[in-house]
Parts: sequence; structure tokens; C-alpha cells
Amino acid sequence: QKEVEQDPGPLSVPEGAIVSLNCTYSNSAFQYFMWYRQYSRKGPELLMYTYSSGNKEDGRFTAQVDKSSKYISLFIRDSQPSDSATYLCAMRGGASGGSYIPTFGRGTSLIVHP
Amino acid sequence: SQTIHQWPATLVQPVGSPLSLECTVEGTSNPNLYWYRQAAGRGLQLLFYSVGIGQISSEVPQNLSASRPQDRQFILSSKKLLLSDSGFYLCAWSSGTGTGELFFGEGSRLTVL
Repeated sequence: QKEVEQDPGPLSVPEGAIVSLNCTYSNSAFQYFMWYRQYSRKGPELLMYTYSSGNKEDGRFTAQVDKSSKYISLFIRDSQPSDSATYLCAMRGGASGGSYIPTFGRGTSLIVHP
Repeated sequence: SQTIHQWPATLVQPVGSPLSLECTVEGTSNPNLYWYRQAAGRGLQLLFYSVGIGQISSEVPQNLSASRPQDRQFILSSKKLLLSDSGFYLCAWSSGTGTGELFFGEGSRLTVL
């Protein structure tokens, strides 16, 4: 079993839809969770950075972490064609254990069509 | 604010030729630096990371090497490229404490022919 599992997609949705992207993980030492957006032929751009369980909202984006289930999600409201990209989850340990070096999911390809 | 620069953006090299990719970070000191390779459909593979000048850790055995001659400079090299070295190479940095986010450069696309 890989440490971080992420469905590669592609996920195709109409403009305006609510998108749910997910990752599961097996390492209970992970404490910090990140979501990146990567456009074709570009470097990943950090979207959300969260610590431990709970929700964090930034504009149309909401990151959700459920450590008890080892499951994280990124929700995109009112999706736009410009949201079409690959979304990567990443996670790492912290002061109480685990490696500081992030472990990445393989990325989910999202297509938002007009 | 901090910025990361990576070059060249695109490179086409023959098999057996040398390689040098460079990465510099501005606006911070003593960052942790990383080289990743991204192959299509295979996610990000960590190649090297560095916590300080001259301190390099290799994650996988390969045809590549890394060096950190200055605090904010990270170089990825090869003496003789293989076809399998083709890919998208990404430099990244995080704060020297090991905490905080990981920030990526724009990437270098290498094609070995």
C-alpha cells in the first residue's frame, strides 16, 4: 500500500459545479497537509496548508482533514474552466514525529468544461 | 518575499552528454532545498534534498548528482545522460526549520534523445 493514495482521474465537471478532491494516507505521523495546483508544464503552486484535523477556507477553496479516518479533501466551489489543472495532495510529519519531507499523492487531473 | 528561480526551462540533450540544472532562492536564508522529478502519471519523485551548504542526501540511486555550493543555490548534474533521465525536474524550498510549506520553481523539462 502506498503511503498516500490519490485517484488520478481525470475528473470532468461542468462550470459552476462543486468539486471534491480526495486523498487517503496510511502514516499516522502525518500532521501537516498541503494541496497544490499544477497547470500543464508548470511547477506546482501551493493552494492550501493545514495542520491536524479540521477545515480551512480560502475563497472558493476549502481544505478538510480527518485524521481519525486518514482522509483529506479539497473542495472547490463554483468551479471555473481556469481551475482545470492537476491537483496534488502532500503531507508530512512534525515536531511530534514523522519526517519533515513531504510525501505526495500522484495528483488528480481536473477538467472544468464551460 | 521569497522567490525561487530555476533554469533552463527546456533542454534537449543527446544521450551521453552532461547536464546542469540550476536553482536559486531569494528572500530567505538557510532554506532546505529539494530536487524532484515528475514523470507522466507517476507523481513526484524526490531525488535529493539539502539542509545546508555541502549537505546532500540522495533518495534514490541514479545517474544524477546534486551540489549546494552556496546557501541558496542548488545544482542538479549528470556526467552522462541516459534516455531514462528525460522528465520534468522541479526544484523546491522550505524553511530551514523543516516546518512550513514547500514552494516549487517553474520546472525544467529535459528531453534526452
